[in-house]
Amino acid sequence: AQSVAQPEDQVNVAEGNPLTVKCTYSVSGNPYLFWYVQYPNRGLQFLLKYITGDNLVKGSYGFEAEFNKSQTSFHLKKPSALVSDSALYFCAVRDMYSGGGADGLTFGKGTHLIIQP
Amino acid sequence: KAGVTQTPRYLIKTRGQQVTLSCSPISGHRSVSWYQQTPGQGLQFLFEYFSETQRNKGNFPGRFSGRQFSNSRSEMNVSTLELGDSALYLCASSHTGVGYTFGSGTRLTVV
Repeated sequence: AQSVAQPEDQVNVAEGNPLTVKCTYSVSGNPYLFWYVQYPNRGLQFLLKYITGDNLVKGSYGFEAEFNKSQTSFHLKKPSALVSDSALYFCAVRDMYSGGGADGLTFGKGTHLIIQP
Repeated sequence: KAGVTQTPRYLIKTRGQQVTLSCSPISGHRSVSWYQQTPGQGLQFLFEYFSETQRNKGNFPGRFSGRQFSNSRSEMNVSTLELGDSALYLCASSHTGVGYTFGSGTRLTVV
């Protein structure tokens, strides 16, 4: 079984400050990890993914995430927050060897990111 | 290139009716998966199709079904609708199974 935890329902950051949105995961094998962002009444927009290779992954809109295997974490970060970053952020995981099982992508509950001007 | 297209965007149905939602994946993508998003349960995996075969299925009752056509377009069907089926239904397409592009979703309201 696979699972994702996003421990914070909401994160508040002042514009221009660095931001971190936390994510921890659990899989039986090796993980594929993803971050998506959702704006009101819209679908999910892809930000970045970790498949293999460098632990620091750079994605869209200046976001990056660090894969930490020992802590089973994949926190999303940005050096300088913008008001337009305010949205709902989802972390997702898929076991690399999940083909044939009842898995698909497993999402966290989401974190509301609020950037204050 | 065109993204993932879901139709219709909004739908209102009555309890007991059935509904069919459509998803056209990105050209060349052979994998289509479906998710249900509700405020209470969050995003939950429904099923995944690859080359017309259901590859994975989530923990939903048999009232939820899907299929994929030879052109990779997919439909999902919900029969005997219940109030709790009101949700945003999201479709995602993938080329390799390691990257998923989502559509804008179909907002289903059951009254």
